[in-house]
Amino acid sequence: TQLLEQSPQFLSIQEGENLTVYCNSSSVFSSLQWYRQEPGEGPVLLVTVVTGGEVKKLKRLTFQFGDARKDSSLHITAAQPGDTGLYLCAGGSGYSTLTFGKGTMLLVSP
Amino acid sequence: SQTIHQWPATLVQPVGSPLSLECTVEGTSNPNLYWYRQAAGRGLQLLFYSVGIGQISSEVPQNLSASRPQDRQFILSSKKLLLSDSGFYLCAWSGIAGTAVNQPQHFGDGTRLSIL
Repeated sequence: TQLLEQSPQFLSIQEGENLTVYCNSSSVFSSLQWYRQEPGEGPVLLVTVVTGGEVKKLKRLTFQFGDARKDSSLHITAAQPGDTGLYLCAGGSGYSTLTFGKGTMLLVSP
Repeated sequence: SQTIHQWPATLVQPVGSPLSLECTVEGTSNPNLYWYRQAAGRGLQLLFYSVGIGQISSEVPQNLSASRPQDRQFILSSKKLLLSDSGFYLCAWSGIAGTAVNQPQHFGDGTRLSIL
């Protein structure tokens, strides 16, 4: 069974701060996705990374896939209240369905 | 563009009553379809997925069932709801049926189900 551990589980910061959240596994994934979910809504896909060591940027968000394709990180620069939400990582490999982590709940206060 | 619709948004049901949640996708053909349950705003538990009409795979044994009567329609049902069935139910689609079921997924806005 593949597991994805996300840390921290909860993060509360002030507007303008930087933060990094992590997604770790002992299993290798062929691809890893990051989603953001706001209260009462479904998750929205942010990015997919497929190559070990790959870095993708989405405005103030930087996503990195580990060299061994077992872990990933999401770094947010100068966080804003609009970044508040549950960040979920999900990994896929072979013919199995996606494995989701339990998420990091981020609260950015003005 | 592709869109996914789930309804109802909120549902309150008594224990022992039946359930039917519907999900439809527009703007794509032959999608893979998924039903998830999310407890307390945390991780997603995959309940069912479908790679084609009439093809249903169950991930977790429970008193729920799923059906795919049409290409872009996915239905989650129960004959008798339990208190433990309360939660946030999400429908999602990905790719094209027959392709890997671990491609990026696109979610509906969910149904909040409360069992009394």
